[in-house]
Amino acid sequence: AQSVTQPDIHITVSEGASLELRCNYSYGATPYLFWYVQSPGQGLQLLLKYFSGDTLVQGIKGFEAEFKRSQSSFNLRKPSVHWSDAAEYFCAVGLTGTASKLTFGTGTRLQVTL
Amino acid sequence: DTAVSQTPKYLVTQMGNDKSIKCEQNLGHDTMYWYKQDSKKFLKIMFSYNNKELIINETVPNRFSPKSPDKAHLNLHINSLELGDSAVYFCASSGTSGSIETQYFGPGTRLLVL
Repeated sequence: AQSVTQPDIHITVSEGASLELRCNYSYGATPYLFWYVQSPGQGLQLLLKYFSGDTLVQGIKGFEAEFKRSQSSFNLRKPSVHWSDAAEYFCAVGLTGTASKLTFGTGTRLQVTL
Repeated sequence: DTAVSQTPKYLVTQMGNDKSIKCEQNLGHDTMYWYKQDSKKFLKIMFSYNNKELIINETVPNRFSPKSPDKAHLNLHINSLELGDSAVYFCASSGTSGSIETQYFGPGTRLLVL
């Protein structure tokens, strides 16, 4: 069965600093990978996704992620964090077959200090 | 112009009661989902419907009964509510079943069972 690990439960960065959130997955086939963001009291918003092709994908709000098959990773990055980026970030892997579903990691809470 | 909407946003009720949560999507998608997010923010799929047909049922107590009157709506009825049912319930939708499509999430329904 597929699984997703987000090793960092909580990360604090200063505004303007760079950010990298880690995501590792376990899946036998080519994975479909997603990053979602959840602001406090809100639903989940898709930041970016990887299905195939270029392993560096660009998303909304200045985020990008790089798929590294050899490391089974899909880390999320942003060169300069804004205070409004404070939120919970979820990595997810998609499973194809008779039904599609997402398996989520446990999330990383990002705190931004001014 | 909300793509995926849920009602109610908040639901506070007593143990043993029966309650329903409604979900509607105006994206023209074929597949809809219910996810449960627990107090530790862990997200887990509960059900998935494609064109009004149940395709995923993930070891959920039979007190939970989804109903899809048409492909734009997926409701969740919960009988005999228990304290452990307190969580945030998210509805989502995607384009097709059997392939990975981006899932779009609603704002969530925060259920508190007293």
